[in-house]
Amino acid sequence: AQKVTQAQTEISVVEKEDVTLDCVYETRDTTYYLFWYKQPPSGELVFLIRRNSFDEQNEISGRYSWNFQKSTSSFNFTITASQVVDSAVYFCALTGTNSGGYQKVTFGTGTKLQVIP
Amino acid sequence: EAQVTQNPRYLITVTGKKLTVTCSQNMNHEYMSWYRQDPGLGLRQIYYSMNVEVTDKGDVPEGYKVSRKEKRNFPLILESPSPNQTSLYFCASSNGGGPGWGYEQYFGPGTRLTVT
Repeated sequence: AQKVTQAQTEISVVEKEDVTLDCVYETRDTTYYLFWYKQPPSGELVFLIRRNSFDEQNEISGRYSWNFQKSTSSFNFTITASQVVDSAVYFCALTGTNSGGYQKVTFGTGTKLQVIP
Repeated sequence: EAQVTQNPRYLITVTGKKLTVTCSQNMNHEYMSWYRQDPGLGLRQIYYSMNVEVTDKGDVPEGYKVSRKEKRNFPLILESPSPNQTSLYFCASSNGGGPGWGYEQYFGPGTRLTVT
């Protein structure tokens, strides 16, 4: 069974502070993918990044960066110099496909980030 | 514009009255899926479909039915809704082989369902 844990339920930071959102996962699949999605107060879900199980390179996109560590089964998300527009609920998700083509998506419970001006 | 649409956006109904939430995508995606979002529980997958006539259960399929007769449509059917199905529902679609092969999902705007 797959599992995704986002232990931080809510985080508040002051604008311009850096913040890291944690994501820890469990899976028996050798090939899997991890995703981050953002859900702003308007409610839509927006894709941010994907990472496959064979690629442990960290990624940076503007103020966003992601740290994937297979050894600790973590895929953490850091926002540098946070802005009010970063206020949202952030979800980490895990998928895998077995030999039978079975695909299931498991989301974490989400971390609500509030950036205070 | 590439999009996933859901209807209705809001629905209040009574226990036991059958309802259907429609989902349609215009991106020719093969993979489609339904999720429910509940406070403190995140998103949980109800059903997914790899292609026309190919569907499979997610983590919380009880009380729901789906069908995939056309590539673009993936309706969610609640044959006898109960109050514990009060939730925010999202439909999603994905290109290629779906999220299991690393393709991101495109989500609809959500349907807020209340069952009294």
